[in-house]
Amino acid sequence: ELKVEQNPLFLSMQEGKNYTIYCNYSTTSDRLYWYRQDPGKSLESLFVLLSNGAVKQEGRLMASLDTKARLSTLHITAAVHDLSATYFCAGVTLGGGADGLTFGKGTHLIIQP
Amino acid sequence: DAEITQSPRHKITETGRQVTLACHQTWNHNNMFWYRQDLGHGLRLIHYSYGVQDTNKGEVSDGYSVSRSNTEDLPLTLESAASSQTSVYFCASSRGGKETQYFGPGTRLLVL
Repeated sequence: ELKVEQNPLFLSMQEGKNYTIYCNYSTTSDRLYWYRQDPGKSLESLFVLLSNGAVKQEGRLMASLDTKARLSTLHITAAVHDLSATYFCAGVTLGGGADGLTFGKGTHLIIQP
Repeated sequence: DAEITQSPRHKITETGRQVTLACHQTWNHNNMFWYRQDLGHGLRLIHYSYGVQDTNKGEVSDGYSVSRSNTEDLPLTLESAASSQTSVYFCASSRGGKETQYFGPGTRLLVL
């Protein structure tokens, strides 16, 4: 059974700083997703990482995947207030016959001016 | 524009009642999913479908059922609502394989 753990679960940081959110998973995952959720809203897809060493960047966010370490990271560069949200990573059990996602509990990120 | 919608957006019901939450997507996606979101648990998979007449149980399927009679819709039914089913419910769809799952706006359900 795939388990996904994120840390930290809560992060308060100042604008302009850099930080990394970590996502560890327990068994081989076919791929790794990152989503963003604003309060009271739906989930917005940020990245899909499909292979070992994959790196994707969008604006101030960069995600990477290390399948050997079973670790994905979401790096925030020079944070701005608009990036305040909850970030989820999610994996899929390899060979499980299901594309249903297993989510981490989310990282609640607050970026203060 | 293609989209995924859910209705109702908010629902209050009583324990023991049957409740159906609707999910409709216009992307013509084969795969559809239902998740529930609870504080401290993140999102958990309830049921999923790979196509018409196909349905499968997810991690937390007890007390829920789905049916897929066409590509666009995957309604979620709570057979006899319980207070433990108070939650936010999200529907999602994807083209399949390694494609991104797109989420609907969610339904907030309160069971009294």
